[in-house]
Amino acid sequence: KQEVTQIPAALSVPEGENLVLNCSFTDSAIYNLQWFRQDPGKGLTSLLLIQSSQREQTSGRLNASLDKSSGRSTLYIAASQPGDSATYLCAVPTGTASKLTFGTGTRLQVTL
Amino acid sequence: KAGVTQTPRYLIKTRGQQVTLSCSPISGHRSVSWYQQTPGQGLQFLFEYFSETQRNKGNFPGRFSGRQFSNSRSEMNVSTLELGDSALYLCASSGLGGRGSYEQYFGPGTRLTVT
Repeated sequence: KQEVTQIPAALSVPEGENLVLNCSFTDSAIYNLQWFRQDPGKGLTSLLLIQSSQREQTSGRLNASLDKSSGRSTLYIAASQPGDSATYLCAVPTGTASKLTFGTGTRLQVTL
Repeated sequence: KAGVTQTPRYLIKTRGQQVTLSCSPISGHRSVSWYQQTPGQGLQFLFEYFSETQRNKGNFPGRFSGRQFSNSRSEMNVSTLELGDSALYLCASSGLGGRGSYEQYFGPGTRLTVT
Protein backbone atom coordinates (compact mmCIF):
# COMPACT_ATOMS: atom_id res chain seq x y z
CA LYS A 1 0.00 0.00 0.00
CA GLN A 2 1.42 3.37 -1.02
CA GLU A 3 2.08 5.74 1.86
CA VAL A 4 3.08 9.35 1.37
CA THR A 5 4.70 11.39 4.13
CA GLN A 6 5.51 15.08 4.23
CA ILE A 7 8.00 16.72 6.54
CA PRO A 8 7.80 19.14 8.22
CA ALA A 9 4.09 19.34 9.05
CA ALA A 10 4.38 23.08 9.58
CA LEU A 11 6.99 25.70 8.79
CA SER A 12 7.27 29.41 9.52
CA VAL A 13 9.93 31.48 7.74
CA PRO A 14 10.64 35.18 7.27
CA GLU A 15 10.03 36.72 3.87
CA GLY A 16 12.88 36.27 1.42
CA GLU A 17 14.13 32.92 2.68
CA ASN A 18 14.66 29.96 0.40
CA LEU A 19 13.01 26.82 1.69
CA VAL A 20 12.64 23.12 0.98
CA LEU A 21 9.59 20.96 1.53
CA ASN A 22 9.99 17.20 1.62
CA CYS A 23 7.80 14.38 0.37
CA SER A 24 8.54 10.66 0.66
CA PHE A 25 6.65 7.68 -0.71
CA THR A 26 6.97 3.97 -0.02
CA ASP A 27 6.31 2.45 -3.46
CA SER A 28 8.72 3.75 -6.09
CA ALA A 29 6.69 2.38 -9.03
CA ILE A 30 4.96 5.68 -9.78
CA TYR A 31 3.87 7.30 -13.05
CA ASN A 32 4.53 10.81 -11.80
CA LEU A 33 4.40 13.03 -8.73
CA GLN A 34 2.35 16.17 -8.42
CA TRP A 35 2.74 19.11 -6.05
CA PHE A 36 -0.31 21.16 -5.07
CA ARG A 37 -1.02 24.25 -3.07
CA GLN A 38 -4.16 24.69 -0.98
CA ASP A 39 -5.32 27.92 0.60
CA PRO A 40 -7.60 27.61 3.66
CA GLY A 41 -11.03 26.29 2.73
CA LYS A 42 -10.22 26.29 -0.97
CA GLY A 43 -9.53 23.74 -3.65
CA LEU A 44 -6.13 22.51 -4.78
CA THR A 45 -3.97 24.37 -7.26
CA SER A 46 -1.55 22.27 -9.27
CA LEU A 47 1.98 23.64 -9.03
CA LEU A 48 4.20 21.11 -10.74
CA LEU A 49 3.97 17.62 -12.17
CA ILE A 50 7.13 15.55 -12.54
CA GLN A 51 7.02 12.55 -14.80
CA SER A 52 8.69 9.38 -13.55
CA SER A 53 11.37 9.79 -16.26
CA GLN A 54 12.23 13.33 -15.14
CA ARG A 55 14.56 14.39 -12.35
CA GLU A 56 13.19 17.89 -11.86
CA GLN A 57 10.66 20.46 -13.01
CA THR A 58 10.71 24.23 -12.65
CA SER A 59 8.04 26.91 -12.67
CA GLY A 60 9.04 30.44 -11.71
CA ARG A 61 10.39 30.42 -8.16
CA LEU A 62 9.42 26.77 -7.69
CA ASN A 63 11.62 23.79 -8.41
CA ALA A 64 10.61 20.21 -7.73
CA SER A 65 12.93 17.24 -7.85
CA LEU A 66 12.18 13.54 -7.94
CA ASP A 67 14.35 10.61 -6.87
CA LYS A 68 12.31 7.48 -7.49
CA SER A 69 14.96 5.07 -6.24
CA SER A 70 14.97 6.66 -2.79
CA GLY A 71 11.24 7.43 -2.80
CA ARG A 72 11.69 11.16 -2.32
CA SER A 73 10.68 14.46 -3.83
CA THR A 74 11.51 17.99 -2.74
CA LEU A 75 9.83 21.28 -3.52
CA TYR A 76 12.20 24.23 -3.42
CA ILE A 77 10.71 27.71 -3.07
CA ALA A 78 13.09 30.55 -3.75
CA ALA A 79 12.80 34.01 -2.21
CA SER A 80 9.61 33.24 -0.28
CA GLN A 81 6.81 35.82 -0.10
CA PRO A 82 3.84 36.22 2.25
CA GLY A 83 1.59 35.18 -0.65
CA ASP A 84 3.28 31.77 -0.59
CA SER A 85 1.59 31.05 2.75
CA ALA A 86 -0.58 27.98 2.22
CA THR A 87 -0.58 24.21 2.69
CA TYR A 88 1.55 22.32 0.20
CA LEU A 89 0.60 18.77 -0.71
CA CYS A 90 2.37 16.14 -2.77
CA ALA A 91 0.50 13.27 -4.40
CA VAL A 92 1.33 10.16 -6.37
CA PRO A 93 -0.94 8.00 -8.54
CA THR A 94 -1.74 4.66 -6.95
CA GLY A 95 -2.77 1.80 -9.19
CA THR A 96 -3.93 4.07 -11.98
CA ALA A 97 -2.94 7.52 -13.19
CA SER A 98 -6.09 9.17 -11.85
CA LYS A 99 -6.21 7.76 -8.32
CA LEU A 100 -3.99 9.97 -6.21
CA THR A 101 -2.59 9.21 -2.77
CA PHE A 102 -1.85 12.42 -0.94
CA GLY A 103 0.61 13.31 1.76
CA THR A 104 -0.61 15.04 4.90
CA GLY A 105 0.77 18.37 3.76
CA THR A 106 3.15 21.04 5.00
CA ARG A 107 1.54 24.22 6.31
CA LEU A 108 3.78 27.12 5.34
CA GLN A 109 3.63 30.60 6.83
CA VAL A 110 5.84 33.33 5.42
CA THR A 111 6.06 36.31 7.73
CA LEU A 112 6.93 39.93 6.96
CA LYS B 1 -10.02 27.72 -20.83
CA ALA B 2 -12.46 27.51 -17.92
CA GLY B 3 -11.37 25.50 -14.91
CA VAL B 4 -13.18 22.80 -12.99
CA THR B 5 -16.42 24.07 -11.50
CA GLN B 6 -18.37 22.60 -8.60
CA THR B 7 -21.84 23.39 -7.38
CA PRO B 8 -23.05 24.17 -4.86
CA ARG B 9 -20.11 25.65 -2.96
CA TYR B 10 -21.72 25.22 0.45
CA LEU B 11 -24.40 22.89 1.77
CA ILE B 12 -25.96 22.28 5.15
CA LYS B 13 -27.93 19.08 5.55
CA THR B 14 -29.49 17.10 8.36
CA ARG B 15 -28.57 13.55 9.35
CA GLY B 16 -30.49 11.01 7.31
CA GLN B 17 -30.97 13.25 4.31
CA GLN B 18 -29.32 12.74 0.97
CA VAL B 19 -27.28 15.18 -1.10
CA THR B 20 -26.12 15.53 -4.70
CA LEU B 21 -22.99 17.43 -5.67
CA SER B 22 -22.11 18.43 -9.22
CA CYS B 23 -18.80 18.81 -11.04
CA SER B 24 -18.09 20.16 -14.51
CA PRO B 25 -14.60 19.24 -15.77
CA ILE B 26 -12.28 21.22 -17.97
CA SER B 27 -13.44 21.12 -21.57
CA GLY B 28 -12.01 18.07 -23.30
CA HIS B 29 -11.25 16.17 -20.09
CA ARG B 30 -12.98 12.81 -19.89
CA SER B 31 -11.80 11.68 -16.46
CA VAL B 32 -13.47 13.02 -13.32
CA SER B 33 -12.38 11.97 -9.83
CA TRP B 34 -13.91 12.76 -6.46
CA TYR B 35 -12.09 13.19 -3.14
CA GLN B 36 -13.19 13.78 0.43
CA GLN B 37 -11.07 16.02 2.64
CA THR B 38 -11.42 16.06 6.41
CA PRO B 39 -9.07 17.35 9.13
CA GLY B 40 -8.67 13.86 10.56
CA GLN B 41 -8.26 11.74 7.43
CA GLY B 42 -6.84 14.22 4.95
CA LEU B 43 -7.62 13.74 1.28
CA GLN B 44 -9.16 10.40 0.39
CA PHE B 45 -10.10 9.11 -3.04
CA LEU B 46 -13.78 8.31 -3.52
CA PHE B 47 -14.10 7.24 -7.16
CA GLU B 48 -13.22 8.07 -10.74
CA TYR B 49 -15.40 8.17 -13.82
CA PHE B 50 -14.19 7.97 -17.39
CA SER B 51 -16.49 8.03 -20.40
CA GLU B 52 -19.57 7.50 -18.20
CA THR B 53 -18.08 4.39 -16.51
CA GLN B 54 -16.74 4.09 -12.99
CA ARG B 55 -13.10 3.17 -13.49
CA ASN B 56 -11.84 3.23 -9.91
CA LYS B 57 -13.36 3.17 -6.46
CA GLY B 58 -11.95 3.98 -3.05
CA ASN B 59 -12.84 2.47 0.31
CA PHE B 60 -16.09 4.23 1.05
CA PRO B 61 -19.47 2.70 1.91
CA GLY B 62 -22.15 2.20 -0.72
CA ARG B 63 -23.94 5.33 0.52
CA PHE B 64 -21.47 7.20 -1.67
CA SER B 65 -22.22 6.89 -5.36
CA GLY B 66 -21.64 8.81 -8.53
CA ARG B 67 -22.30 9.01 -12.19
CA GLN B 68 -20.99 10.74 -15.27
CA PHE B 69 -22.94 12.11 -18.18
CA SER B 70 -22.10 12.07 -21.88
CA ASN B 71 -20.74 15.63 -21.65
CA SER B 72 -18.32 14.42 -18.90
CA ARG B 73 -20.11 16.34 -16.15
CA SER B 74 -20.29 14.25 -13.00
CA GLU B 75 -22.50 14.06 -9.97
CA MET B 76 -21.82 12.55 -6.59
CA ASN B 77 -24.59 11.41 -4.29
CA VAL B 78 -24.46 10.63 -0.59
CA SER B 79 -27.50 8.97 0.92
CA THR B 80 -28.48 8.69 4.58
CA LEU B 81 -26.07 11.38 5.66
CA GLU B 82 -24.06 10.94 8.85
CA LEU B 83 -22.30 13.57 10.93
CA GLY B 84 -18.97 12.11 9.80
CA ASP B 85 -19.77 12.97 6.19
CA SER B 86 -19.13 16.63 6.95
CA ALA B 87 -16.17 17.46 4.75
CA LEU B 88 -14.85 19.36 1.79
CA TYR B 89 -15.64 17.37 -1.36
CA LEU B 90 -13.26 18.00 -4.19
CA CYS B 91 -13.60 17.09 -7.81
CA ALA B 92 -10.67 16.75 -10.20
CA SER B 93 -10.52 16.37 -13.94
CA SER B 94 -7.69 15.15 -16.09
CA GLY B 95 -6.90 14.53 -19.71
CA LEU B 96 -3.93 13.40 -21.70
CA GLY B 97 -1.47 16.25 -21.53
CA GLY B 98 2.04 16.94 -22.71
CA ARG B 99 4.45 13.97 -22.80
CA GLY B 100 1.71 11.59 -21.74
CA SER B 101 1.04 13.22 -18.40
CA TYR B 102 -2.32 13.04 -16.68
CA GLU B 103 -2.17 16.16 -14.59
CA GLN B 104 -5.04 16.50 -12.16
CA TYR B 105 -6.89 19.84 -11.99
CA PHE B 106 -9.10 20.43 -8.98
CA GLY B 107 -12.23 22.47 -8.51
CA PRO B 108 -12.93 24.82 -5.57
CA GLY B 109 -14.81 22.13 -3.65
CA THR B 110 -18.20 21.81 -2.00
CA ARG B 111 -18.25 22.30 1.76
CA LEU B 112 -20.85 19.92 3.21
CA THR B 113 -21.95 20.31 6.81
CA VAL B 114 -24.20 17.65 8.31
CA THR B 115 -26.06 18.62 11.49
